[in-house]
Amino acid sequence: KNQVEQSPQSLIILEGKNCTLQCNYTVSPFSNLRWYKQDTGRGPVSLTIMTFSENTKSNGRYTATLDADTKQSSLHITASQLSDSASYICVVSGSYNTDKLIFGTGTRLQVFP
Amino acid sequence: GAGVSQTPSNKVTEKGKYVELRCDPISGHTALYWYRQSLGQGPEFLIYFQGTGAADDSGLPNDRFFAVRPEGSVSTLKIQRTERGDSAVYLCASSRGLADNEQFFGPGTRLTVL
Repeated sequence: KNQVEQSPQSLIILEGKNCTLQCNYTVSPFSNLRWYKQDTGRGPVSLTIMTFSENTKSNGRYTATLDADTKQSSLHITASQLSDSASYICVVSGSYNTDKLIFGTGTRLQVFP
Repeated sequence: GAGVSQTPSNKVTEKGKYVELRCDPISGHTALYWYRQSLGQGPEFLIYFQGTGAADDSGLPNDRFFAVRPEGSVSTLKIQRTERGDSAVYLCASSRGLADNEQFFGPGTRLTVL
């Protein structure tokens, strides 16, 4: 069964600090990997999309890395803000010809002042 | 509209009833997706439309679930004989339909089956 696993399950940090979220996947064949941010009661919003040939991609204070050999990805958040409090979901596309996405269970991040 | 919209935002129904959930995709997006998200879990794929046809319905859990997109725009997810286990947030997303295109999600419909 294809799986996308994330760690930690939840994380609490202080405003201004950095943090890194981890994602391991076993999906094969692999097309691309995405990180989504989901605020409570809202739909997910895309942060980054990386194909298997990309190692890193940034979006403001968010930087995603990908190691397709080890099937690992990370999302690094720099200088966290209160508005970063949300669930961060790692999503893998398992086929080039469809957009069928396989979602991880997410990491719930809480940023405190 | 500017984004994907879903109605109703909340739906409470009794076990055994029939419900319809509606999704209005972003104008011009040919691909439309339905997902189901249980509490504390990531969304799970249900069905994917390319235009009017269901390109992949492998995620529908059983024959009580059915979805249509008759004119290639608005889609309706239909659930018959609802069960308590159907309670979840049903998310809709749309994209331009090309491989690796970003999917834009609606706010979801929270379905509660009593």
